Amino acid sequence: ETGVTQSPTHLIKTRGQQVTLRCSSQSGHNTVSWYQQALGQGPQFIFQYYREEENGRGNFPPRFSGLQFPNYSSELNVNALELDDSALYLCASSTGTSGPLTKNIQYFGAGTRLSVL
Amino acid sequence: GQQLNQSPQSMFIQEGEDVSMNCTSSSIFNTWLWYKQDPGEGPVLLIALYKAGELTSNGRLTAQFGTTRKDSFLNISASIPSDVGIYFCAGPHGSGNTGKLIFGQGTTLQVKP
Repeated sequence: ETGVTQSPTHLIKTRGQQVTLRCSSQSGHNTVSWYQQALGQGPQFIFQYYREEENGRGNFPPRFSGLQFPNYSSELNVNALELDDSALYLCASSTGTSGPLTKNIQYFGAGTRLSVL
Repeated sequence: GQQLNQSPQSMFIQEGEDVSMNCTSSSIFNTWLWYKQDPGEGPVLLIALYKAGELTSNGRLTAQFGTTRKDSFLNISASIPSDVGIYFCAGPHGSGNTGKLIFGQGTTLQVKP
């Protein structure tokens, strides 16, 4: 158990719809990162939130957006869903964004499996 | 851009055998991480490497940070059925150690009892 929980575990949407995925960080962690993992691939970095502000973004379009709340939980929102958005979405929490990576070990949740039909 | 290439893509071995897998990059990494992902779960960190040439063990797992800083290796000794899963290498995305990770495509390990 990593202490990172994601909901829902599975979700089915149709093309063009919008979706919100949720993540509850491990206690004491103020940084949340979101990743997309397509079938048979490694996770790809979407963006990171630190103290409620976006702190870096990967190569994803603006229809992927996020929020971090004062309790450090987070949401990932995807608008205008496309078939290629079907993937496992992983959330990872850590304790900070700067300094040695030893202090920023990321703990992953089990993910939300999104299917877009 | 930064990319990590893992080999082999998959392995099917007999219980008790040793396993070796590697990860290479066209650019230098200052940190190498090895994760394992079980079906239906998120990745779990196995070993972290922070210095070129570093050799670190975690039980039957041993990983090395290549001296060129462009590769890393993971070895599993005396494999057991619970070693089954997908093994990913990962490193910091962009410059610095900011916790934003780039992952390889994974090595799938299957162990025959």
